[in-house]
Amino acid sequence: DGGITQSPKYLFRKEGQNVTLSCEQNLNHDAMYWYRQDPGQGLRLIYYSQIVNDFQKGDIAEGYSVSREKKESFPLTVTSAQKNPTAFYLCASSPWAGGNSPLHFGNGTRLTVT
Amino acid sequence: AQSVSQHNHHVILSEAASLELGCNYSYGGTVNLFWYVQYPGQHLQLLLKYFSGDPLVKGIKGFEAEFIKSKFSFNLRKPSVQWSDTAEYFCAVNSDNQAGTALIFGKGTTLSVSS
Repeated sequence: DGGITQSPKYLFRKEGQNVTLSCEQNLNHDAMYWYRQDPGQGLRLIYYSQIVNDFQKGDIAEGYSVSREKKESFPLTVTSAQKNPTAFYLCASSPWAGGNSPLHFGNGTRLTVT
Repeated sequence: AQSVSQHNHHVILSEAASLELGCNYSYGGTVNLFWYVQYPGQHLQLLLKYFSGDPLVKGIKGFEAEFIKSKFSFNLRKPSVQWSDTAEYFCAVNSDNQAGTALIFGKGTTLSVSS
């Protein structure tokens, strides 16, 4: 079955450590996205990538980094510079970026930093 | 910059009641509009979308939404809700005129339906 796989489902880290969240898709989509979901805040865009080896900052990119070396993979690194890293992180993809291209979402990774 | 406002944070209804969730966006150009739903423990799913044409769009599970350009609104409706509609609902928008733009989401509305 085609879809988006985010792993792990739950992740725990100590403050000051960088952590990388995995996102893989086998839908052959060009565009991939990372959103952060907090209660009462909705989904806020962290980074997105329209094509391999290219990505753009979203509204809350500070303290995060991404790479897009392969079409099917878009890992997100939460660095120690991110002030409030505990959140639910959602990865999504779409056939192309923008316009009338709906998003397909993964099941998310819940990151807890203590 | 684009933004999306969902006015109702939490809506509580009894089964068979009618539902209307408000969504307003701020962007003067041509937009694409979406409603997504997140059922408890499940991933976000597309409920319906509007790109152009008939401003009244129908989605899955009996939901519909009306695009009113003059009001910058895209409200979600359902004539008679069911307990299984309990979920969080998100309105989202992107610009149709800018290639490569990402979806901007509202803060979401939690719907609780009691049986």
